[in-house]
Amino acid sequence: EVQLVESGGGLVQPGRSLKLSCVASGFTFNNYWMTWIRQAPGKGLEWVASITNTGGSTYYPDSVKGRFTISRDNAKSTLYLQMNSLRSEDTATYYCTRGNWEFDYWGQGVMVTVSS
Amino acid sequence: DVVLTQTPPSLSATIGQSVSISCRSSQSLLDSDGDTYLNWLLQRPGQSPQLLIYSVSNLESGVPNRFSGSGSETDFTLKISGVEAEDLGVYYCMQATHAPLTFGSGTKLEIK
Repeated sequence: EVQLVESGGGLVQPGRSLKLSCVASGFTFNNYWMTWIRQAPGKGLEWVASITNTGGSTYYPDSVKGRFTISRDNAKSTLYLQMNSLRSEDTATYYCTRGNWEFDYWGQGVMVTVSS
Repeated sequence: DVVLTQTPPSLSATIGQSVSISCRSSQSLLDSDGDTYLNWLLQRPGQSPQLLIYSVSNLESGVPNRFSGSGSETDFTLKISGVEAEDLGVYYCMQATHAPLTFGSGTKLEIK
């Protein structure tokens, strides 16, 4: 059974950093691109970052480029999202998903609240 | 960025009723490789989104065949043929043909 389990969320002050993790199981992790998608409270879905299966290339929208870094450790079947210079508008539930467009499996999500 | 406009923003249906949701794109979603990267997702209350349809009309494994997708270029439709109680939630279309990947604003389905 495919499982994606996120962790690392919480309350953080504006300008500070936070690192999310997503542990994958039930599939060959290093065969798949992975993606982070977020959802602000009561709002829709927003793509945050994607990474190739080898980790050799990464992709971001302008809203997070230069502040967020996606990475992975294929030996540990773990995906990461390093979030720096956090802003109030980054407050959201962050989902780890498999693929770069298929998104056939999603984690349960982890909440990040940016507030002073 | 590609804008996906979903209509209606909400709808209410009785059990067994058939409903359709429209997703219109500001640009053609036909990719140069011949595929059209338009998917449909459902987010049930309190749950993570789940994939229903990929590449316009392909039913994801395990998804009931009362769900179907159609369309081309800029106009796409998700149809539910015989709504069931478990179908309530918010439906999103999303496109991955053009960077950045974008989502529609969602259609909330309520059961009468």
